[in-house]
Amino acid sequence: DAGVTQSPTHLIKTRGQHVTLRCSPISGHKSVSWYQQVLGQGPQFIFQYYEKEERGRGNFPDRFSARQFPNYSSELNVNALLLGDSALYLCASSHLASGGFTGELFFGEGSRLTVL
Amino acid sequence: KQEVTQIPAALSVPEGENLVLNCSFTDSAIYNLQWFRQDPGKGLTSLLLIQSSQREQTSGRLNASLDKSSGRSTLYIAASQPGDSATYLCAVSNTGNQFYFGTGTSLTVIP
Repeated sequence: DAGVTQSPTHLIKTRGQHVTLRCSPISGHKSVSWYQQVLGQGPQFIFQYYEKEERGRGNFPDRFSARQFPNYSSELNVNALLLGDSALYLCASSHLASGGFTGELFFGEGSRLTVL
Repeated sequence: KQEVTQIPAALSVPEGENLVLNCSFTDSAIYNLQWFRQDPGKGLTSLLLIQSSQREQTSGRLNASLDKSSGRSTLYIAASQPGDSATYLCAVSNTGNQFYFGTGTSLTVIP
């Protein structure tokens, strides 16, 4: 079975531009989460979506937005890019356990964004 | 806010040694604790998941333990191999929506 797939793997943008990153979860997983990992740091939570609804948002500005589609794939959009947005953007899929808690996270290989 | 700390930040050991990686967290009301491995420039690979009701999990040469009351987890790697060289990350979830990550331990196993 395919794991979590992300595209593109690498991209270079300039300040002020917009970027869209895409993620397909593991088959059967309905929850998708997005994380930002700056070099040398642990991943930071951006969003979680379940059944097309936002279930959690981290401490990121409104320039960051996301959505989930009926097939459970997801997009992360970042507007007005800043140099500090350069990072590895990771998508994770999971089941939701009873009580609505996030189960085990499975990550894709990430999208490496460089902002010049 | 949950804070996760991993010690040491870097570790270098000769092949064949047993080793322990440490993870501590400030809020003991966790739901899950998960250990990951990350190779340079790559995504995260799940190693072990410990639910809050569990004390430990084992997979092959890996054993992870959880002590919620003291806010600690350890990852034990037996008979280390050069292929184990990577960064190991610990993450915990509280409300269930997000995981909080440590900054990782960079492990080098010397042949």
